[in-house]
Amino acid sequence: ILNVEQSPQSLHVQEGDSTNFTCSFPSSNFYALHWYRWETAKSPEALFVMTLNGDEKKKGRISATLNTKEGYSYLYIKGSQPEDSATYLCAFPASGTYKYIFGTGTRLKVLA
Amino acid sequence: EPEVTQTPSHQVTQMGQEVILRCVPISNHLYFYWYRQILGQKVEFLVSFYNNEISEKSEIFDDQFSVERPDGSNFTLKIRSTKLEDSAMYFCASNGERHGETQYFGPGTRLLVL
Repeated sequence: ILNVEQSPQSLHVQEGDSTNFTCSFPSSNFYALHWYRWETAKSPEALFVMTLNGDEKKKGRISATLNTKEGYSYLYIKGSQPEDSATYLCAFPASGTYKYIFGTGTRLKVLA
Repeated sequence: EPEVTQTPSHQVTQMGQEVILRCVPISNHLYFYWYRQILGQKVEFLVSFYNNEISEKSEIFDDQFSVERPDGSNFTLKIRSTKLEDSAMYFCASNGERHGETQYFGPGTRLLVL
């Protein structure tokens, strides 16, 4: 059974702090890894689609890295702001299938 | 900017009733998906749909569930006889030319089965 794990489940940081969280996924038959940002009462919003081992992608203060050999991706937020408060989800489109497997999400709260 | 829309935003129904959840994906997208999230649990894949047929379904997607793209714009999820455990947030998503590309999600329908 394919499983995607995220850690931590939740965290609180102070405004201005930098933070990171992890997504672990099956390393065999890797196809892609997606990161989403999900604010309460809104749709999940795509942040990154990572496909290549060693990939690093950046969007403003948010960046992500990918290690397909060991099966993990890190999401970094530099200088967290209250508007970064959201749940960050990773999702794994399983190779050879048309399904996505989601992690439990990391719930981030940035305190002003 | 194009977006995925879903109706209704909330639905309350009695156990055993049929419900139809509606989605309008982004117009030039080719792959369509339904997911659900039961409160406090992970987002779960239900079904993917491409070229007017189901391309994959999960073990959750049993005979009580069906999907349809009746008119080239709407993408519907029907639950024939709802159970209490079907209460969840249901999300529709679509992506462009290839499975695995960026997915665009609708705002969800919150279904409550009493």
